[in-house]
Amino acid sequence: QKEVEQNSGPLSVPEGAIASLNCTYSDRGSQSFFWYRQYSGKSPELIMFIYSNGDKEDGRFTAQLNKASQYVSLLIRDSQPSDSATYLCAVYGSGGYNKLIFGAGTRLAVHP
Amino acid sequence: EAQVTQNPRYLITVTGKKLTVTCSQNMNHEYMSWYRQDPGLGLRQIYYSMNVEVTDKGDVPEGYKVSRKEKRNFPLILESPSPNQTSLYFCASSDLKGMYNSPLHFGNGTRLTVT
Repeated sequence: QKEVEQNSGPLSVPEGAIASLNCTYSDRGSQSFFWYRQYSGKSPELIMFIYSNGDKEDGRFTAQLNKASQYVSLLIRDSQPSDSATYLCAVYGSGGYNKLIFGAGTRLAVHP
Repeated sequence: EAQVTQNPRYLITVTGKKLTVTCSQNMNHEYMSWYRQDPGLGLRQIYYSMNVEVTDKGDVPEGYKVSRKEKRNFPLILESPSPNQTSLYFCASSDLKGMYNSPLHFGNGTRLTVT
């Protein structure tokens, strides 16, 4: 079982819709959770992070964390074609903050 | 501008020819790390450094070396590159002041092809 799992996609949504991206992790002791966006051929850029159960909102983005179910999600409201990218979920596991463990990413395609 | 700078951006080399990919950050970060990214496998950590002269292996260290003689620089060395090291490489840094809440800041990447 991979430490951080994401559906590879592509997830296709129409412009203006809500895109829902999901991530599960295997280490129950994981401490905090990050969402990065990566455009093709570019470096990952941080969208937001969450460490407490519940929701965290930042503009059009909402991260949701459920530690009991070992599940973290990212909602993108009012999706735009410029949101089309690969979204990477990353986790600091119980092994320490010397390694951020990444999922393989979900490709999101927002079509006009 | 706060940034992590990697060089070169693109590199094509032949099997066995030693190469170095440089990484430099101007944010005075203690922590630096190298990742490789391959399709379907995501980002995998090669080596990391918690501070000057302190380095340790990540998940895929075979065939790589690193050094941390200065806080700002963390070069990645391939002594004898092989085709399975063809990949997209990222250097990243963090101040770790927030510990588990400290995000990584990534360089622009180096696309390496070994023939």
